[in-house]
Amino acid sequence: GAGVSQSPSNKVTEKGKDVELRCDPISGHTALYWYRQSLGQGLEFLIYFQGNSAPDKSGLPSDRFSAERTGGSVSTLTIQRTQQEDSAVYLCASSSRGGTEAFFGQGTRLTVV
Amino acid sequence: GESVGLHLPTLSVQEGDNSIINCAYSNSASDYFIWYKQESGKGPQFIIDIRSNMDKRQGQRVTVLLNKTVKHLSLQIAATQPGDSAVYFCAENMANQAGTALIFGKGTTLSVSS
Repeated sequence: GAGVSQSPSNKVTEKGKDVELRCDPISGHTALYWYRQSLGQGLEFLIYFQGNSAPDKSGLPSDRFSAERTGGSVSTLTIQRTQQEDSAVYLCASSSRGGTEAFFGQGTRLTVV
Repeated sequence: GESVGLHLPTLSVQEGDNSIINCAYSNSASDYFIWYKQESGKGPQFIIDIRSNMDKRQGQRVTVLLNKTVKHLSLQIAATQPGDSAVYFCAENMANQAGTALIFGKGTTLSVSS
């Protein structure tokens, strides 16, 4: 596709369940970012992938959060044993390389009930 | 840790006025800066960027100014229109290090009244 695609657009899950959020970056982009945005707040950095380098995981809030990027393209963010405070919009972005303009998807709105 | 912040959480202007949105950054090693616009329910949209070897860059109705001495970034919007109403974020990055992420500030909500 022409832009960054995220799925699902909305996800409601019960507390304690695991969820997987998917990001399809722009084809050819080597850098991929995940952010979390709580209502009315800024973008909280979660994790950054750049090519074949080890990802920067410094923003992951707990060991319940993990992400992988397969084949340098699609990325999946997994949240295990979800808590109500995990409710937020999860945004993915990609760029042709680090240090250049990043393009965002529309986000996945996660609600933990 | 170091982060990018914005001076004002909200800014209200009249249609046709010029708007100035400010941002202070703390990481002197940052050398690449971006302004994003985020409308309700959407992902952030790129507006304009600037590298540290420049102090001014102009786009269509927008200008970004960078003052490295005081670590300050601003976004100027000329002839502000109702469609400019959104939340504006600045972000910083160390472009000369490919392994660093874009770090965002908290955002300024711009409200434009007719």
